[in-house]
Amino acid sequence: DGGITQSPKYLFRKEGQNVTLSCEQNLNHDAMYWYRQDPGQGLRLIYYSQIVNDFQKGDIAEGYSVSREKKESFPLTVTSAQKNPTAFYLCASKRQGAQLAGVNEQFFGPGTRLTVL
Amino acid sequence: QKEVEQNSGPLSVPEGAIASLNCTYSDRGSQSFFWYRQYSGKSPELIMFIYSNGDKEDGRFTAQLNKASQYVSLLIRDSQPSDSATYLCAVTGRSSARQLTFGSGTQLTVLP
Repeated sequence: DGGITQSPKYLFRKEGQNVTLSCEQNLNHDAMYWYRQDPGQGLRLIYYSQIVNDFQKGDIAEGYSVSREKKESFPLTVTSAQKNPTAFYLCASKRQGAQLAGVNEQFFGPGTRLTVL
Repeated sequence: QKEVEQNSGPLSVPEGAIASLNCTYSDRGSQSFFWYRQYSGKSPELIMFIYSNGDKEDGRFTAQLNKASQYVSLLIRDSQPSDSATYLCAVTGRSSARQLTFGSGTQLTVLP
């Protein structure tokens, strides 16, 4: 089955700890994204990567870091500098290059719910 | 002004009725428009996309786009209780990366 997996499903962090959220896809997609969703809110872009070994900051990158060493993997680290990390984190991927005109569909993983204790 | 605005709701409609969800966007150069459905505690799933002015129909769903008014809507005909969810509007801009900007979502409840 092709798709996007995220782990863990639930994660608890103590104050001052760094934690890493996993995102893996076997869709052969070039672009991958990390979003954060707070209750009753839409999705806000944290980081994105359009190609291996390259990534860009989104709208709310402060306190987060990413790497893209493999096409299939785009892990997100929530550092201690992120003062309010409790949220639902969603990873997405998208095929780049030749596409149906105008289509820009992103596929989402199941999400990781992070809670700070 | 938010880039993508939606009425947060909640919007309640009786089963079998038409649900109408609305979205406005601020970037006149926006090119593609998406509606995602998100059930509570789950990730969003794409239900419709549109990039040309006018209507696009897919089963019980119709997306409507008016670029002059910077307005996109989603109509759900014959609403079912299983349609109860939050509906997110998302828009891509003119940048080469074509990033999605999401609205905050409209919560829809279909009453049996």
